[in-house]
Amino acid sequence: DAGITQSPRHKVTETGTPVTLRCHQTENHRYMYWYRQDPGHGLRLIHYSYGVKDTDKGEVSDGYSVSRSKTEDFLLTLESATSSQTSVYFCAISTGFAEAFFGQGTRLTVV
Amino acid sequence: AQSVTQLGSHVSVSEGALVLLRCNYSSSVPPYLFWYVQYPNQGLQLLLKYTSAATLVKGINGFEAEFKKSETSFHLTKPSAHMSDAAEYFCAVRKNFGNEKLTFGTGTRLTIIP
Repeated sequence: DAGITQSPRHKVTETGTPVTLRCHQTENHRYMYWYRQDPGHGLRLIHYSYGVKDTDKGEVSDGYSVSRSKTEDFLLTLESATSSQTSVYFCAISTGFAEAFFGQGTRLTVV
Repeated sequence: AQSVTQLGSHVSVSEGALVLLRCNYSSSVPPYLFWYVQYPNQGLQLLLKYTSAATLVKGINGFEAEFKKSETSFHLTKPSAHMSDAAEYFCAVRKNFGNEKLTFGTGTRLTIIP
């Protein structure tokens, strides 16, 4: 398995609180991605990074921000969590030229 | 922009029967195509990929897929279903150059009937 660790694996938080999810890789891949998975929608890209401090928006970026200060870490922050952000979040990594490898996911519940 | 359409959100087949999961893509440039599998409460695992070499691609667990440019399709097949194949399957597409991200279909949940 690709060396990808997501933390936490499960989190329950209250509406309006900030939340940060962490993705850590040991593969030294250049590209890192955050997706969310919801029934009927498949996986939708939130943000991605193509290098340290280089990030870009995906198709569902509103309400989310990211940071990548080191090659191995990609953080996803929900500035003020809402119930619509209840989802399963997946981090993925890639060399940029073929497939992506996925972490085990973080199940986030906003109450 | 790239996109994929997976026909059938749920597919049921009997154990030992043919598995056919459909994926059609749209791409302005030659694509790379992928099938991923997701077992309950797990991440996504790559089944197989098409990256412009052979059009018939073999993957893990006896699955294969054929890239058909004329039909813009990349259907996933397995000759004989096994109970362990029950999972959700995702088709994905990306451009074959540059640092483009993967775009996923909405998934097909495969149920195996004993």
